[in-house]
Amino acid sequence: ETGVTQTPRHLVMGMTNKKSLKCEQHLGHNAMYWYKQSAKKPLELMFVYNFKEQTENNSVPSRFSPECPNSSHLFLHLHTLQPEDSALYLCASSQAGAETDTQYFGPGTRLTVL
Amino acid sequence: GQNIDQPTEMTATEGAIVQINCTYQTSGFNGLFWYQQHAGEAPTFLSYNVLDGLEEKGRFSSFLSRSKGYSYLLLKELQMKDSASYLCAVLDSNYQLIWGAGTKLIIKP
Repeated sequence: ETGVTQTPRHLVMGMTNKKSLKCEQHLGHNAMYWYKQSAKKPLELMFVYNFKEQTENNSVPSRFSPECPNSSHLFLHLHTLQPEDSALYLCASSQAGAETDTQYFGPGTRLTVL
Repeated sequence: GQNIDQPTEMTATEGAIVQINCTYQTSGFNGLFWYQQHAGEAPTFLSYNVLDGLEEKGRFSSFLSRSKGYSYLLLKELQMKDSASYLCAVLDSNYQLIWGAGTKLIIKP
């Protein structure tokens, strides 16, 4: 498989559930990102991992917990979410330090919190 | 604060030309990106501009004026498959991407 993959593509969960989103990149990149995309709003950067080290955490609530075991895999662990957390969650990767640092996105996980 | 402005929605006719504008105010500038996003799909990279001027890539062109904090994406010979959202994003002085809310482009036959 090539590019950036994400699973699951769709997820419905209750507020008391615990679930995890998975992202895998096959591009040999060294940086990975989690974004939240809500309707008619700019992409919101949640977390950045550079060489497996977290370098950004943009004031994201603790009910979202990232994990980056290696440079190819990224997880987002979810627990006790709120209905307002319903959104499209996008993973991206890039080659940090490259001339353009272009980010390549996965197809996203459409999350609905009931 | 940092801000990216682009129109919320535009409509154009198949075969025509459309220009999607983007203005930005950011702390520093290290390049501007345009992405295309079809409904329910991943944003896909279209173009990157870091120097002033026009970059042409097939039916799509992207223009940048750093002094004016302005860019546009020009789509020629529009096709129905060009119906999508177009996202403008600026790489600031900390190499963080600042995103616009996107422009939804509707193509009519």
